[in-house]
Amino acid sequence: DAGITQSPRHKVTETGTPVTLRCHQTENHRYMYWYRQDPGHGLRLIHYSYGVKDTDKGEVSDGYSVSRSKTEDFLLTLESATSSQTSVYFCAIGDRGQEGAEAFFGQGTRLTVV
Amino acid sequence: RKEVEQDPGPFNVPEGATVAFNCTYSNSASQSFFWYRQDCRKEPKLLMSVYSSGNEDGRFTAQLNRASQYISLLIRDSKLSDSATYLCVVNPRMDSSYKLIFGSGTRLLVRP
Repeated sequence: DAGITQSPRHKVTETGTPVTLRCHQTENHRYMYWYRQDPGHGLRLIHYSYGVKDTDKGEVSDGYSVSRSKTEDFLLTLESATSSQTSVYFCAIGDRGQEGAEAFFGQGTRLTVV
Repeated sequence: RKEVEQDPGPFNVPEGATVAFNCTYSNSASQSFFWYRQDCRKEPKLLMSVYSSGNEDGRFTAQLNRASQYISLLIRDSKLSDSATYLCVVNPRMDSSYKLIFGSGTRLLVRP
């Protein structure tokens, strides 16, 4: 399995509080991604990174910010958590090959906002 | 229109059946294509990349049709263990940012 860990694995937080999820990799992959997965919506891209300090928005970036100050860590911050951000969050890493890069996923973080 | 679209299913097939899924993408400049498999409450895992010339891996065949902007996955001789959600993935950009967009998945149920 790819060396990718997400922390925490489970979190319950209150509406209005900031929350930071961490993704850590030991593979030295260039690309890192944050997705959320909800029933009926599949995996939706929140933000992604293509290098240290190089990030871009995905499909559902409102209410989220990211930080990548070193290759191995990609942080996702919910600035002020809302109930609509209750979801399973997956981090993924990848690097390009000849036909593209496959993404390896972490085990997910289950976040509940009450 | 979504960038990547899939029929959600479920496809309910008997063991040994052949089943095919399609996935359409909206950006004609899309460069890389993949099929992932996701089991219930688990993380997605790569099933296979989709090459321009098509490719086969055992019972699984993936094809790309650039003219019609879709990719397909064919599963032959279905096994009970093939029951899962199959996710189509596309990189819709030509630059170096390598954005990966997932379809919402097609659920497959293989029955005895």
